[in-house]
Amino acid sequence: AQKVTQAQTEISVVEKEDVTLDCVYETRDTTYYLFWYKQPPSGELVFLIRRNSFDEQNEISGRYSWNFQKSTSSFNFTITASQVVDSAVYFCALSEVLTGANNLFFGTGTRLTVIP
Amino acid sequence: NAGVTQTPKFRVLKTGQSMTLLCAQDMNHEYMYWYRQDPGMGLRLIHYSVGEGTTAKGEVPDGYNVSRLKKQNFLLGLESAAPSQTSVYFCASNDRGEQYFGPGTRLTVT
Repeated sequence: AQKVTQAQTEISVVEKEDVTLDCVYETRDTTYYLFWYKQPPSGELVFLIRRNSFDEQNEISGRYSWNFQKSTSSFNFTITASQVVDSAVYFCALSEVLTGANNLFFGTGTRLTVIP
Repeated sequence: NAGVTQTPKFRVLKTGQSMTLLCAQDMNHEYMYWYRQDPGMGLRLIHYSVGEGTTAKGEVPDGYNVSRLKKQNFLLGLESAAPSQTSVYFCASNDRGEQYFGPGTRLTVT
């Protein structure tokens, strides 16, 4: 069965610190997608990244970077030099391609608070 | 191009009342989804549709019904609302693996 675990419920950091949000997943499929979404206090879901299970290259986008390791079934998200605007709930999610419906299975989220 | 829209944005119901949430997308996507978000639970899939005229159950379908009469619309119905259905409801549509979410509907059942 599919499962996404975000063990960190809440994290607080001081502005300009680096922070890593952990995500561990379980799936029996060999083909899947992994996602990260941001949910700011306004409530909408903001897409951050999608990663194919066959692509283990790390990705960097500005202050954001993602580390995908199939060996440990992890897809961790790092924010470098955090800013107050990064304060939000961050969700990791898994989508299994072979089911054909691309349903998303979400973790329970990590609430990040960046203190000025 | 409005993306995914949801109507209404907020609603308060009394126990036993019924209502329908409307999701509309203008991206010609085949797949559409309804999720609910509860504190500490993340988002959970209620129902989904892989095309016009089709629907399927997700993880938490009890107490809800859906319909997809038109490709662009996906309706979520509560026939007899219960306090346990107090939640934020998100609709999404899908294009080759990337899901686009609506802004959400905050529903309170008293």
